[in-house]
Amino acid sequence: ILNVEQSPQSLHVQEGDSTNFTCSFPSSNFYALHWYRWETAKSPEALFVMTLNGDEKKKGRISATLNTKEGYSYLYIKGSQPEDSATYLCAVGTGYSTLTFGKGTMLLVSP
Amino acid sequence: DSGVTQTPKHLITATGQRVTLRCSPRSGDLSVYWYQQSLDQGLQFLIQYYNGEERAKGNILERFSAQQFPDLHSELNLSSLELGDSALYFCASSEAYRNGELFFGEGSRLTVL
Repeated sequence: ILNVEQSPQSLHVQEGDSTNFTCSFPSSNFYALHWYRWETAKSPEALFVMTLNGDEKKKGRISATLNTKEGYSYLYIKGSQPEDSATYLCAVGTGYSTLTFGKGTMLLVSP
Repeated sequence: DSGVTQTPKHLITATGQRVTLRCSPRSGDLSVYWYQQSLDQGLQFLIQYYNGEERAKGNILERFSAQQFPDLHSELNLSSLELGDSALYFCASSEAYRNGELFFGEGSRLTVL
């Protein structure tokens, strides 16, 4: 079973703060890393799918980086807004396993 | 709207009973995944089907089974239900055979009393 670790477990920031989360995974046999946003009472939605070492993706105020050699990815949110409040999930797939999800980072942004 | 449809949205049943959860994937997606979300647990992968064939198996109990039909919809059957089976069950679909972007349904909330 692939071990995907996310930190921190939860985060409470003020509107306008920038924040970042970490996803750590075993670097061997890496195939793909996904970030999903899961808002309360909704279903998870994909933010990014990343496959190459050094990949950087951006969507509005949210960006992500990937380091497959050391086994981590960062998700950044610039200028957090209350609507960014959600649980952010990381999922990793390898050459021999399907996508395994971490437990997520719960973000709360206060006005 | 992800295009993935799950029914029922909510289900309350008793221990020992059997239930079936249904999932219709996004048009054109051949892969269907089932995940279980329990209290304090992340999304636990149960099983994946691709174009009607079982492709990968996770931590799925022997009391649980699934299948994907020729029209690509999938059913997850849960039998001899226990209190601990209470959870949110998600179906997700993908066009890829492996590790492609997942599109999630709204989930089926199962409560076992």
